[in-house]
Amino acid sequence: EPEVTQTPSHQVTQMGQEVILRCVPISNHLYFYWYRQILGQKVEFLVSFYNNEISEKSEIFDDQFSVERPDGSNFTLKIRSTKLEDSAMYFCASYLPGPAYEQYFGPGTRLTVT
Amino acid sequence: AQSVTQLDSHVSVSEGTPVLLRCNYSSSYSPSLFWYVQHPNKGLQLLLKYTSAATLVKGINGFEAEFKKSETSFHLTKPSAHMSDAAEYFCVVSAHSGNTPLVFGKGTRLSVIA
Repeated sequence: EPEVTQTPSHQVTQMGQEVILRCVPISNHLYFYWYRQILGQKVEFLVSFYNNEISEKSEIFDDQFSVERPDGSNFTLKIRSTKLEDSAMYFCASYLPGPAYEQYFGPGTRLTVT
Repeated sequence: AQSVTQLDSHVSVSEGTPVLLRCNYSSSYSPSLFWYVQHPNKGLQLLLKYTSAATLVKGINGFEAEFKKSETSFHLTKPSAHMSDAAEYFCVVSAHSGNTPLVFGKGTRLSVIA
């Protein structure tokens, strides 16, 4: 069964460093998302991406964040200058319009900022 | 705007007894509703979904949920808990079209006692 994959599974970085989280969505899906889950808290929407542009973003997704689909398969989330409060689990999801109505989630990347 | 309230942060049941995880929602639109499960150090797995078809929805692993518009509820049930059901459960709402961002509840941690 097709699945969303994410790399790395765990990333440790120092405060102020740039980090790129990578996702490979399901190949025929059209919508792509990033969500995050700070330890012990609920999952929060960050950004959605469709037709090579951001379709919606939350107030969390400020100028420090950017997304890209550089080669038609990968979908990346970049954090330019990481802060301690960026430490979280980051989930990628993808969606294909149709009767399934399901966003498929990857296993997540745990980002630890020290 | 959509929101979800999960009424219990932690539920503990004995193996073989029924499970009830409560969820109330608020939505400006005709909503789609989902339950996701997250096992420790794992990603998010869809248990079941309501998308305006039958109000009683059956999911994987024996779980069910009933959409009650008059009560704005979407409670998750299972007749008999199994040890492997111990996990975090998230009630999720989105606007009716499946590509819109998912809004998660804070989660309910289910413990199953032998």
